[in-house]
Amino acid sequence: DVKVTQSSRYLVKRTGEKVFLECVQDMDHENMFWYRQDPGLGLRLIYFSYDVKMKEKGDIPEGYSVSREKKERFSLILESASTNQTSMYLCASIPPSANEQFFGPGTRLTVL
Amino acid sequence: SQKIEQNSEALNIQEGKTATLTCNYTNYSPAYLQWYRQDPGRGPVFLLLIRENEKEKRKERLKVTFDTTLKQSLFHITASQPADSATYLCAPGVGYGQNFVFGPGTRLSVLP
Repeated sequence: DVKVTQSSRYLVKRTGEKVFLECVQDMDHENMFWYRQDPGLGLRLIYFSYDVKMKEKGDIPEGYSVSREKKERFSLILESASTNQTSMYLCASIPPSANEQFFGPGTRLTVL
Repeated sequence: SQKIEQNSEALNIQEGKTATLTCNYTNYSPAYLQWYRQDPGRGPVFLLLIRENEKEKRKERLKVTFDTTLKQSLFHITASQPADSATYLCAPGVGYGQNFVFGPGTRLSVLP
């Protein structure tokens, strides 16, 4: 079975801290995605990557950056966390020649 | 701009009945449409994909239809059970790895 793991289920950080959210998939997928999910707003795409060292902005990239140094790992970085970045963060990957997304369990981030 | 709507934020039905969820889209011409299930505090899980040239797709108690003229997909769960209670998301896509957009979801509650 495909497995997408995220480094933390729950995270509490202070305003201004640099935050790293890690995502790892074990099935050699090329495409990986980062979303945030908020009540009433649904899933919104932050960044995605089609390959190592490649990244593309999604709908809401402001305040975030990403890193993809290895195929299996896609990291989301909050350069200076703010309270409006309190959210559920979901990572996903897509296998070659398919369209279904495999999601990780999510990280619920609270910024105080 | 592209817009995806799901019929209602919440839907309550009695166990054993058929649940019907609606996904409508505007300013969009998807080549396929996916449905996902999401349980509280978890990442979405892929259920079904239907392509634009398919009218209907079935998987066990699930049935999906896709009407490109009406710009609508219907998702049916027959003989519903309390275990089917979850939020269901639709996600239209235009090409491989390009299904970034999700509907807001419908929270289904199946009452015993």
